[in-house]
Parts: sequence; C-alpha cells; structure tokens
Amino acid sequence: DAGVIQSPRHEVTEMGQEVTLRCKPISGHDYLFWYRQTMMRGLELLIYFNNNVPIDDSGMPEDRFSAKMPNASFSTLKIQPSEPRDSAVYFCASSLANAAYEQYFGPGTRLTVT
Amino acid sequence: AQSVTQPDIHITVSEGASLELRCNYSYGATPYLFWYVQSPGQGLQLLLKYFSGDTLVQGIKGFEAEFKRSQSSFNLRKPSVHWSDAAEYFCAVWAPRTYKYIFGTGTRLKVLA
Repeated sequence: DAGVIQSPRHEVTEMGQEVTLRCKPISGHDYLFWYRQTMMRGLELLIYFNNNVPIDDSGMPEDRFSAKMPNASFSTLKIQPSEPRDSAVYFCASSLANAAYEQYFGPGTRLTVT
Repeated sequence: AQSVTQPDIHITVSEGASLELRCNYSYGATPYLFWYVQSPGQGLQLLLKYFSGDTLVQGIKGFEAEFKRSQSSFNLRKPSVHWSDAAEYFCAVWAPRTYKYIFGTGTRLKVLA
C-alpha cells in the first residue's frame, strides 16, 4: 500500500487566499484525522471522521476552517480566507475501526501564508 | 488534568551509545501509552504501544519502553543508537472516550558520528 497520501507537500499563499489541502487515506481504513503541527502549540487534532462522517470538529480553530470527506478515499481541509497564523504543517492520518489509536500519518503539507 | 510531559526538548548522544527518552503522564484511568517518531520532513510513525500486561514493551527499530505506574512514566530506550535514529520523538496517551491523543511536546534527538 502507498500509505497516506497528502497533496500538496508545500503550499505558499498570500493572506486572504483560499487554501485546500488534500488527503487520500489508506484503503480500507475507517477513520481519518486531520492534525496541525506548530512550534508553539505542538500537535493539535483538528477534526476526525468515521466512515466519512465528521465526528468531532472541536479542534477546528474557527469558521475559516472546514473539512470534508466526500468518500472513503478522499478528504479535504480548506482554509478561507487564510491568515499568516495558519502557517503550520498539516497532517492527515488514518486508522482501522478496531484500532483507531494506531494511526498512519501522511508526510504532511507545509503551509506558509505570507 | 490529562497531560503528557517530555522534560527534555533536545538530547544529543554519540552513535553507539545508549539512549533513554523520558515521558511522564497524568491521566485518570489506565493509560494507553504510545511512542511515535517523526523523521525530518515526514509524518509520525508508531514505534510501540502499551495497553496492559508486561510493562516492558518492544517496538520497531530496536526500541523498547517501560511502563512504571508508580512513577507515571513510560520512558523509551535503545541500547545502541544509530545515526538514522536522529529524529523527533513524541510520547502520547490515547483517550479512548474521545478518540484523541494527548501528545507530549516532543524530544529532538541528535546523533553524533
């Protein structure tokens, strides 16, 4: 299996622009998690899905952030409008239902908002 | 409050030397404990986990960790470090009710040739 795939790997955008991050989980996995990693706050869980349904989005910072999972093989995290403080590495991870704790992480998307 | 503490932000060891990374947790119930490693530019990879039973658990890449309930610790060890072990290591507690990890702040390991 190719593992969790994220695109793009790097994104540089200007403040106010819309940013869309993409994730393809491991085939057959039931859970999908979006994390954000910064020096100041470490690793934060933003949202997670079970069978394409958002279960807990309490970590989403504000309304500028939204996430969707239209099918079992694709998820997006959108920021609109983006701000410099959104600069971070965003990770997607997936796991099986009977081992949700055993998460497989993608390589991340490094977002820079200028 | 639930928390995970990794007291060492940076650790430097020579190749071939032994390694111990510290992790302390605060959690009300029996903890599910994990160690993850993050190589530069990569996502996290699971090294090992502890749920119950034998308090010394073996993981991948020659790592092991020991759960000590009396000390609320779950320290990661390796007898002989390789240059490829240079990475950032995260200790975490899994909260099964919320399906969330509580991550420590990480320890960055540097290996000297």
